[in-house]
Order: sequence, then structure tokens, then C-alpha cells
Amino acid sequence: GQQLNQSPQSMFIQEGEDVSMNCTSSSIFNTWLWYKQDPGEGPVLLIALYKAGELTSNGRLTAQFGITRKDSFLNISASIPSDVGIYFCAGPSGAGANNLFFGTGTRLTVIP
Amino acid sequence: DSGVTQTPKHLITATGQRVTLRCSPRSGDLSVYWYQQSLDQGLQFLIQYYNGEERAKGNILERFSAQQFPDLHSELNLSSLELGDSALYFCASSPGGGRGETQYFGPGTRLLVL
Repeated sequence: GQQLNQSPQSMFIQEGEDVSMNCTSSSIFNTWLWYKQDPGEGPVLLIALYKAGELTSNGRLTAQFGITRKDSFLNISASIPSDVGIYFCAGPSGAGANNLFFGTGTRLTVIP
Repeated sequence: DSGVTQTPKHLITATGQRVTLRCSPRSGDLSVYWYQQSLDQGLQFLIQYYNGEERAKGNILERFSAQQFPDLHSELNLSSLELGDSALYFCASSPGGGRGETQYFGPGTRLLVL
């Protein structure tokens, strides 16, 4: 079955540092989504990617859709304490479907 | 605030019992999705409804069922509860349920089965 593996599993960084995380799939995705989940809350969509090679930014966040369509990357620049949370990659699980298949998550801790 | 509401926020119950989780989608959204988040399985899709009809099914156990009512709110029924059913249950909604539509997640219901 499909697997979306995220790395690293967790990160501890100093405030102001840049962060990079990635997501790799065992199969091709035609859409890559990046969500953030704050403690006690539901996931919130950060960035959506629809085309191989696409690079999209949302403020301090930048995400890329890998050329092979089997991976995606998320970068956060100049981290701040409110960046703390779990970051998930996700993609539609099948042809014609909109239900999402989520990655294993990267837990980010920002040390002030 | 995503506009999706879920009740209750927390639920504690015993093994063998039955519970109902409720979700109200964003105003105007016709599609509702249910997801389960557990420590060992991560976030997993359970089931999707579109305008009252089941649209897609994921890893939903036979002990679980859902429905979407004419006013578009949805309920997830969990019966014969087991310890392993303890998890966060999220509801999400989207306008039409079509591929690529953004899903907006509610705050979740935390279920603890003792």
C-alpha cells in the first residue's frame, strides 16, 4: 500500500534558524499538500502543490513538488516560537478521490 | 477557526460501549470526511460523505458507521468500543468533495476508552 515517510521525525531548533523537512512516497502523487497541526487542534493547510517541479511560498514557508512526483520538501525560514507543531505532508489517496493520505509527521520544537 | 465544529471535545467511556461523534461542516460545504489519529497509525481516512451519500470509504472498521443528514451535519458512530479505539477523531469538510479541493479540519474529538 501507499506509504508517506517524513524525515526527520522530530527537530529541535533555535529561534531564528531555518528548517528543512521532506516527505517521500512509495508511489506517485499528483498533488502534494503540507499541513500543520498545533497541539489540541486539527490540521491546517499551509501549502498546496499541483505540478512536478513547482515551488510555492507562503510567507516564511516554501514547499517544492519533487520532479519524480514521489517526494516533496518544506522549508521554514527564520523560525519563531509559534512554528512549534507537527507538520504533515499529504496527498489524495486515489484516482478521482479527495480523501487524503497523510505522512508520518515531523514534530518541530523551537527553542526561544 | 476553520468553521468546522465538532462535539464533544472530549469523551471518556468504557470498553463495549457505543458513542456518537458529531460534526457540522463549514457553511455551504457539501462534503464531510472523517479521520482517525492514533499514536501508532497516524492520521487515517475513515469515510467521506457528499450531500448525504457515502462517497468514499477508507480504513473504517465494521463496528464504526457514519451518516450525513439533510442539514449536512454528520455523525460518526463507534460501537463495541475497544481500548485501541482511543484516538483523536477529526472531521473535515470541503465544498464539493472533488479531487484537489481543500479540506478544512475541525478541532477534533478526543476519545478515551477505559
